[in-house]
Amino acid sequence: EIVLTQSPTTLSLSPGERATLSCRASQSVSSYLAWYQQKPGQAPRLLIYDASNRATGIPARFSGSGSGTDFTLTISSLEPEDFAVYYCQQRGNWPPLTFGGGTKVEIK
Amino acid sequence: VQLVESGGVVVQPGGSLRLSCAASGFTFEDYTMHWVRQTPGKGLEWVSLINWDGSSTFYAASVKGRFTISRDNSKNSLYMQMNSLRTEDTALYYCAKDKTAAGYYFDSWGQGTLVTVSS
Repeated sequence: EIVLTQSPTTLSLSPGERATLSCRASQSVSSYLAWYQQKPGQAPRLLIYDASNRATGIPARFSGSGSGTDFTLTISSLEPEDFAVYYCQQRGNWPPLTFGGGTKVEIK
Repeated sequence: VQLVESGGVVVQPGGSLRLSCAASGFTFEDYTMHWVRQTPGKGLEWVSLINWDGSSTFYAASVKGRFTISRDNSKNSLYMQMNSLRTEDTALYYCAKDKTAAGYYFDSWGQGTLVTVSS
């Protein structure tokens, strides 16, 4: 089973700042990695798939990069609505499909 | 796209439950569908998937042999039969639509149905 490790667990930033979130896989998943955003009381929302492709309707301030075992989600300038929990998920080596433990982006 | 789960209740360990998911707003039979669960302690966990016609199913090791996923394309509905329930199955269960026919990313989610396994 592929284990995805996200860091940091919590990221404290101010609106307008740049957020850099990391997801590391226990073995290569090629480029088959997605990122999701989840706000309290809501279901997750797909942001990025195949490491760097934005899902429909996702603003350009969200970008993804990486391949193999190391991946990054970058939010170029945080908007108030971006404070949430972010999860990575891999489909490169399955079953099972697996998720990381999440990074909470909180207001500093 | 709309996905509406139902069937979550409080059940005793060893009990059974059937979750349903009513889908609308897309051509249901064209997509693989998934169940994903979430707990405060373990985060998000993929549970199972079923391909477009139900001929292929996969399960997480934690539920294999106890849970059965199925679908009825004539009713635009997804199901999960849950048997031999354990306390660790307590979670919010989401129905999720695959991004493509078999992309194995989740591009639409329901709001979830809460399953509590407790004596």
